[in-house]
Amino acid sequence: QVQLVQSGAEVKKPGASVKVSCKASGYTFTGYYMHWVRQAPGQGLQWMGWINPSSGGTHYAQKFQGWVTMTRDTSISTAYMELSRLTSDDTAVYYCAKKGDIAELDYWGQGTLVTVSS
Amino acid sequence: EIVLTQSPGILSLSPGERATLSCRASQSIRSSYLAWYQQKPGQAPRLLMSGASSRATGIPERFSGSGSGTDFTLTISRLEPEDFALYYCQQYGSSPELTFGGGTKVEIK
Repeated sequence: QVQLVQSGAEVKKPGASVKVSCKASGYTFTGYYMHWVRQAPGQGLQWMGWINPSSGGTHYAQKFQGWVTMTRDTSISTAYMELSRLTSDDTAVYYCAKKGDIAELDYWGQGTLVTVSS
Repeated sequence: EIVLTQSPGILSLSPGERATLSCRASQSIRSSYLAWYQQKPGQAPRLLMSGASSRATGIPERFSGSGSGTDFTLTISRLEPEDFALYYCQQYGSSPELTFGGGTKVEIK
């Protein structure tokens, strides 16, 4: 069965960076784009971008261009999302989500809480 | 950027009642690029519907989706206790950007 298992919660200071991992299993990792979505406390879902695990190509939402980096390691079927220059506004749960056959996100990781606090 | 507006923001209903959730796009989108998700507190979103009207694996038949162009609807024919949750629509555009609606909370009346 498809599983996306994310790394554990993080506490970071303002100005630092955070790198979240997402280990995929149960399907061909290089066959489907991986998206990243975040959700601030009590807020809705905010799309951050995607990575093509096959080519490593990426596309970031305009808001995050210049301070998010998505990478992958195909040898261990793992995608990564790194966010730099953190502020308190970046406190959120970060999800990875596998793109389905068309445009849907059919499987989601359990989420990683990133707390930014001085 | 395509903006998705969901209404109402909160829907207060009783178990057994019918729920109708709306998702309106700022410009026309392809039906195949419209999805719906359910999210419960402390959980990741779960895919309910893809292609506007195709139920995802394991989703009960009481959930149905419809619509085209700029207006889409998620209907829950008879609310079960486990259906009280947040619901989001999502579109995947040609840019290729992805956007979510602001969500509709279905709460127990």
